[in-house]
Amino acid sequence: QVQLQESGPGLVKPSETLSLTCTVSGASVSSSSYYWGWIRQPPGKGLEWIGYIYYNGSTYYNPSLKSRVTISLDTSKNQFSLRLSSVTAADTAVYYCARAPVPLYSSSWSWGQGTLVTVSS
Amino acid sequence: DIQMTQSPSSLSASVGDRVTITCRASQGISHYLAWFQQKPGKAPKALIYAASSLQSGVPSKFSGSGSGTDFTLTISSLQPEDFATYHCQQYNTYPITFGQGTRLEMK
Repeated sequence: QVQLQESGPGLVKPSETLSLTCTVSGASVSSSSYYWGWIRQPPGKGLEWIGYIYYNGSTYYNPSLKSRVTISLDTSKNQFSLRLSSVTAADTAVYYCARAPVPLYSSSWSWGQGTLVTVSS
Repeated sequence: DIQMTQSPSSLSASVGDRVTITCRASQGISHYLAWFQQKPGKAPKALIYAASSLQSGVPSKFSGSGSGTDFTLTISSLQPEDFATYHCQQYNTYPITFGQGTRLEMK
């Protein structure tokens, strides 16, 4: 059974870059059967898809964040990462990493427990 | 972007009740829809994928239906552990989008 665990700073200053890592166990980020991605949820609000990456490095980003987002894979550590630049208070949210099946309709998503990132000086 | 609108936004029900939550897409998404359950402080948990397929391990009291623009999640015989927030998600078209959530509360 796959497990995903987010890690990274819980506090980021405005205008700086938010960096999070997701460590995967029970599955390989090199698998062609899944996308590896990020979703966020501002306090008291709904879910927003940030983007995901495929094993071959192909990335798919939400256009609303595309200019600031980078998702990357580290196959040697079985991890993937999120970088979000030029953050503001509006980027304060719980960030979840997730695994999505390929094709998307073939099964369900698996989620990490989430990590709260606060943007504040 | 495809807008996903859930109704109602909140719902009060009693243990043993049967409830239905609706999700409407702003344009057709075939059957590319999922439902998630989220409890306070926890990650979303997958219930349904491809509009009506039950995720392994999820009780059969959860069922999904619909295609095109209109979808429903039905929960039969509510139990205390079912009171949570439910989200729909479309993955027919990028960007993937979610509904605003439906909070199911105990009456």
